[in-house]
Amino acid sequence: DAGVTQSPTHLIKTRGQQVTLRCSPKSGHDTVSWYQQALGQGPQFIFQYYEEEERQRGNFPDRFSGHQFPNYSSELNVNALLLGDSALYLCASSLFTDTQYFGPGTRLTVL
Amino acid sequence: AQSVSQHNHHVILSEAASLELGCNYSYGGTVNLFWYVQYPGQHLQLLLKYFSGDPLVKGIKGFEAEFIKSKFSFNLRKPSVQWSDTAEYFCAVSISGGYQKVTFGIGTKLQVIP
Repeated sequence: DAGVTQSPTHLIKTRGQQVTLRCSPKSGHDTVSWYQQALGQGPQFIFQYYEEEERQRGNFPDRFSGHQFPNYSSELNVNALLLGDSALYLCASSLFTDTQYFGPGTRLTVL
Repeated sequence: AQSVSQHNHHVILSEAASLELGCNYSYGGTVNLFWYVQYPGQHLQLLLKYFSGDPLVKGIKGFEAEFIKSKFSFNLRKPSVQWSDTAEYFCAVSISGGYQKVTFGIGTKLQVIP
């Protein structure tokens, strides 16, 4: 049973660029949440998708947007990258409001 | 909004020592509580969770946690740590019955010395 998968593993971008990160949920899960984990910090909630709609959003600017597809996979898009966007981006999946299971993350470096 | 406070950011223990990591949350309503662990080079894994019922929760690898509602606490314990317990531990909370926005603490790095 495959767990949560994320791609790519690592990514290097320059300021001002745009990036798309991808997530495939654990089999049987219908809800995807995205988190940003800066160095030395706990994960910070970005937003959550259920039934292809954004259901909850954390304290992140509109530069952060997302999408959920009919097969429950999801994308996180970040526009106009800033140096401060450098972090580990985590995807978590769950069956609606049940426990979230995390993927390995995508390490984004903004130069 | 809910928040989580972890008391110790870095803990160093010798093997066989007992462990207790403190966690307090702030939220006036009913919550779900979690401890996640991140071993070196691995992704976040669920250690244990509390949704309702017995406030003493047992997790994997001999860990347990006790929910004390009056103290807004959910401390993690293990009677005897092993070198393989070296990892970062995160306490987390979500609002019961709501969408699962999980709020994490800053994490505690545990180093177990052989």
